[in-house]
Amino acid sequence: DAKTTQPNSMESNEEEPVHLPCNHSTISGTDYIHWYRQLPSQGPEYVIHGLTSNVNNRMASLAIAEDRKSSTLILHRATLRDAAVYYCILRVGLNNNDMRFGAGTRLTVKP
Amino acid sequence: NAGVTQTPKFQVLKTGQSMTLQCAQDMNHEYMSWYRQDPGMGLRLIHYSVGAGITDQGEVPNGYNVSRSTTEDFPLRLLSAAPSQTSVYFCASSSFRGGTTFFGQGTRLTVV
Repeated sequence: DAKTTQPNSMESNEEEPVHLPCNHSTISGTDYIHWYRQLPSQGPEYVIHGLTSNVNNRMASLAIAEDRKSSTLILHRATLRDAAVYYCILRVGLNNNDMRFGAGTRLTVKP
Repeated sequence: NAGVTQTPKFQVLKTGQSMTLQCAQDMNHEYMSWYRQDPGMGLRLIHYSVGAGITDQGEVPNGYNVSRSTTEDFPLRLLSAAPSQTSVYFCASSSFRGGTTFFGQGTRLTVV
């Protein structure tokens, strides 16, 4: 399985942008980059995904490097509610439902 | 639309007891899966199913059984509980066409 590497933890101030990095140097051409987050005492929830181009949705933006060996999840204005563990996951093709989680990045948001 | 529903939310078992964790989804998703999450770690895949009557093993299947008799339900059975199975269990479902995976709220299991 293609592996991802994320920092264990990051801190941000409320209402400032947050850039969460993910390295995936062994990514293959059919691997989609997915981001999920897990709020305290809850199940993971979908954030965003992409293949090659940058993606935006109401929750976040995903910036994908040109060689696809790394990506960055961008929260434009962090709120206290964004404090969570963020997981970067590679999935083979849109129809592959098998997700393998790493330890993720624990984001702390300071008021 | 309830999404993915897990019961119970909390459970304490004695070593050697058996029990079934229930999972139901109302989104008509083909794919369902069970994960466990130990403290400070990411989720690990136990078993999964790509449709009614079809199941397969994930990363950590030992000590667990599953069956999928309907599209909606995917119960996880612990055959003989051990303290090493103390964990939080998450059920998930997704459509092959959608790509997004939906998770339940989890079952916190303690085996003493």
